[in-house]
Amino acid sequence: NAGVTQTPKFQVLKTGQSMTLQCAQDMNHEYMSWYRQDPGMGLRLIHYSVGAGITDQGEVPNGYNVSRSTTEDFPLRLLSAAPSQTSVYFCASKTPGHLNTEAFFGQGTRLTVV
Amino acid sequence: DAKTTQPNSMESNEEEPVHLPCNHSTISGTDYIHWYRQLPSQGPEYVIHGLTSNVNNRMASLAIAEDRKSSTLILHRATLRDAAVYYCILYSGGGADGLTFGKGTHLIIQP
Repeated sequence: NAGVTQTPKFQVLKTGQSMTLQCAQDMNHEYMSWYRQDPGMGLRLIHYSVGAGITDQGEVPNGYNVSRSTTEDFPLRLLSAAPSQTSVYFCASKTPGHLNTEAFFGQGTRLTVV
Repeated sequence: DAKTTQPNSMESNEEEPVHLPCNHSTISGTDYIHWYRQLPSQGPEYVIHGLTSNVNNRMASLAIAEDRKSSTLILHRATLRDAAVYYCILYSGGGADGLTFGKGTHLIIQP
């Protein structure tokens, strides 16, 4: 059981470049989300989705786009990377709205923007 | 969002019990108390959660104060593998339905 898979694990971008961080889950979870983690900090919610075709903004959405065409995949796009987006990005999935269930996280993508 | 307060770091010896405290004095009646941990260079992983009663699972125990204003995560016999950042999170769903992570407690295990 793969759980939540993120690719790539590491990426270096130049300022202004674009890229897509991939996230896939095989647990048939309706809810998926993206977080970023800066050094010494907790995770902050970027965008989330409660099902295919439905996305919404989290706490820090600026500079990022998402889409959800399938239940399994939830890619995060950086259209024009900035040094402030240097961070570690985590994708998570869970059953939506169930307070009694756990979230599953991917291993993270470490992004450096130079 | 209701907030939690945890010590920045704690240190313990291998094979001894560890008690990680969390204060959440503004907890609401519908908030569940969730604990996650993050091993070095990994994503967070679920540890345990509870609402009012104490909870046990294969990883840990969760002791919840009677007034629910505080809780304690208990690792019964710490190993070096338990060295991680532990996050205490109040979760009530709704809105973005996300988890609000603070800075957590950095647990150091001495051999």
